Amino acid sequence: ETGVTQTPRHLVMGMTNKKSLKCEQHLGHNAMYWYKQSAKKPLELMFVYSLEERVENNSVPSRFSPECPNSSHLFLHLHTLQPEDSALYLCASSQVGAATFPLTDTQYFGPGTRLTVL
Amino acid sequence: AQTVTQSQPEMSVQEAETVTLSCTYDTSESDYYLFWYKQPPSRQMILVIRQEAYKQQNATENRFSVNFQKAAKSFSLKISDSQLGDAAMYFCAYRRASGTYKYIFGTGTRLKVLA
Repeated sequence: ETGVTQTPRHLVMGMTNKKSLKCEQHLGHNAMYWYKQSAKKPLELMFVYSLEERVENNSVPSRFSPECPNSSHLFLHLHTLQPEDSALYLCASSQVGAATFPLTDTQYFGPGTRLTVL
Repeated sequence: AQTVTQSQPEMSVQEAETVTLSCTYDTSESDYYLFWYKQPPSRQMILVIRQEAYKQQNATENRFSVNFQKAAKSFSLKISDSQLGDAAMYFCAYRRASGTYKYIFGTGTRLKVLA
């Protein structure tokens, strides 16, 4: 596997279900991101982990819970979602500099998980 | 707050022709990065081109080039010799040079390439 992978690619869940999205990066990067992509709206940054520590949390509802067990893996745990949470969820990774952060990083995106909440 | 505006929801170009996608942004920062990302249908978003604000020279990557006008806060993407594989959503993005991990994205421009 190369680049950034995400599983599952498609997910349909009811509002009472609990599910998890998985992201894995094979690029040796030290920062990982979750984005929400809805039609006709800009990409919304949800969470950022740098060196396995959460560094950004953009007012995301608590029904979304991220987890970063190591620098290669990122999860998004979902519970009690609403229909308006239906969207494409994108994971990305980048390499950020230690001295001056985040350096000239380029984000590499995964293919996304298409989530439908019924 | 920084914002990124892509005023063209959809553009069309004839194969082999040239097209320019517009992007404007608003910031009070002097040091930042600008990006164009491409998202083909059902495929991964990939970086097309990146510009550092401190560089006056416009970035170029093969058939893709930008027109970076810092004073006007404009960052347009020119695609020359358009190919069918260029059909995609194109997103303009901004990020401060330091102190944040946050990228600001525009709403995107859907580019259609006509054979």
